[in-house]
Amino acid sequence: DAKTTQPTSMDCAEGRAANLPCNHSTISGNEYVYWYRQIHSQGPQYIIHGLKNNETNEMASLIITEDRKSSTLILPHATLRDTAVYYCIVENYGGATNKLIFGTGTLLAVQP
Amino acid sequence: SQTIHQWPATLVQPVGSPLSLECTVEGTSNPNLYWYRQAAGRGLQLLFYSVGIGQISSEVPQNLSASRPQDRQFILSSKKLLLSDSGFYLCACNWGYGANVLTFGAGSRLTVL
Repeated sequence: DAKTTQPTSMDCAEGRAANLPCNHSTISGNEYVYWYRQIHSQGPQYIIHGLKNNETNEMASLIITEDRKSSTLILPHATLRDTAVYYCIVENYGGATNKLIFGTGTLLAVQP
Repeated sequence: SQTIHQWPATLVQPVGSPLSLECTVEGTSNPNLYWYRQAAGRGLQLLFYSVGIGQISSEVPQNLSASRPQDRQFILSSKKLLLSDSGFYLCACNWGYGANVLTFGAGSRLTVL
């Protein structure tokens, strides 16, 4: 089962920052948080991941709270092409390899 | 960087017919390979993963099976399809012991009638 909770949907105005929250209150000390997004009818695309420190790349920023029980993905200047389902995922340990168990994500609709 | 090829992209099959979806990976060796399914309007469900040739782990009991006959080839099969097998099937890979960054294929959309 997914170990994260996200809002079902969010709206954002084009050009504004999109802040997508995620709760992962049962996260363990060495488990990373990953963010992916899925544009309609395509395969998911990796965005960013982090453990404790805030992270930034060319796509987004990831802010992780000090207790690591929640995080926020920030798209600094949302465009219409950022409309997608955004998945927040905590690695699932156990078995032959660590796995990513996707939840239902947040549908971000960027409005013109 | 790796590239994943999936085929067929789209197929319509009758109930009770067999299924074979193929996935091949370019640009890496010894990848971990994954099959996910996405039912209409739902999230992604992990079905199978493989850490090496002939090694298959199943995440959920179901009507499907997976095989890995070669290092960069992953096959999803069924002997008799059910209506509930309809969905969007995605193959993914990662490699090494670093970050769990998955690369996904474009997917195969299966409709069972």
